Amino acid sequence: EAQVTQNPRYLITVTGKKLTVTCSQNMNHEYMSWYRQDPGLGLRQIYYSMNVEVTDKGDVPEGYKVSRKEKRNFPLILESPSPNQTSLYFCASSPRTGSNQPQHFGDGTRLSIL
Amino acid sequence: DAKTTQPPSMDCAEGRAANLPCNHSTISGNEYVYWYRQIHSQGPQYIIHGLKNNETNEMASLIITEDRKSSTLILPHATLRDTAVYYCIVRVVNSGGSNYKLTFGKGTLLTVNP
Repeated sequence: EAQVTQNPRYLITVTGKKLTVTCSQNMNHEYMSWYRQDPGLGLRQIYYSMNVEVTDKGDVPEGYKVSRKEKRNFPLILESPSPNQTSLYFCASSPRTGSNQPQHFGDGTRLSIL
Repeated sequence: DAKTTQPPSMDCAEGRAANLPCNHSTISGNEYVYWYRQIHSQGPQYIIHGLKNNETNEMASLIITEDRKSSTLILPHATLRDTAVYYCIVRVVNSGGSNYKLTFGKGTLLTVNP
């Protein structure tokens, strides 16, 4: 089954403790992206990647890092999490060829930073 | 990307057609109309997209006006499981490989009532 898989689904942690949210897709998509969703602010893009080793900032990249060493994986790294990064996070992917193709989203990761 | 306007909420009776409007009066010629929905904090789910012709798939139909300034998503036989926030998104599509960011607005909360 074609899917985007995020882990963990839920995490409660403390300020400053490095964490990684993994994202994996099995559709051989070139494009991957991370969004965060906050009440009243909608979904905002954090980082995106057009292909392996090609990443760029979205609208709200501060406090986050990403890497794209393999096509299927696009982890989101919070080196020193802070309470303002408490949010619902979504990973998405799509093919690049036929660039009107829709994006597929993961089920989300709910992070609470205390 | 062009801005979209949707009603904040709508109600529909179970089994009836749900018609969700979207205004995108500033849409340009190379912008597609996409519809996604989000069921209670799950990942956004792609529904349908189109450029200028009406489109239909197993989930819904998309009617785009001839001037492309508005569109309507039609769920032909709404069920309780269709209760969700529906997002109309307009996005530039090009072959240049730029960011495929989706800009989510506030969407329409569709409530399907028994």
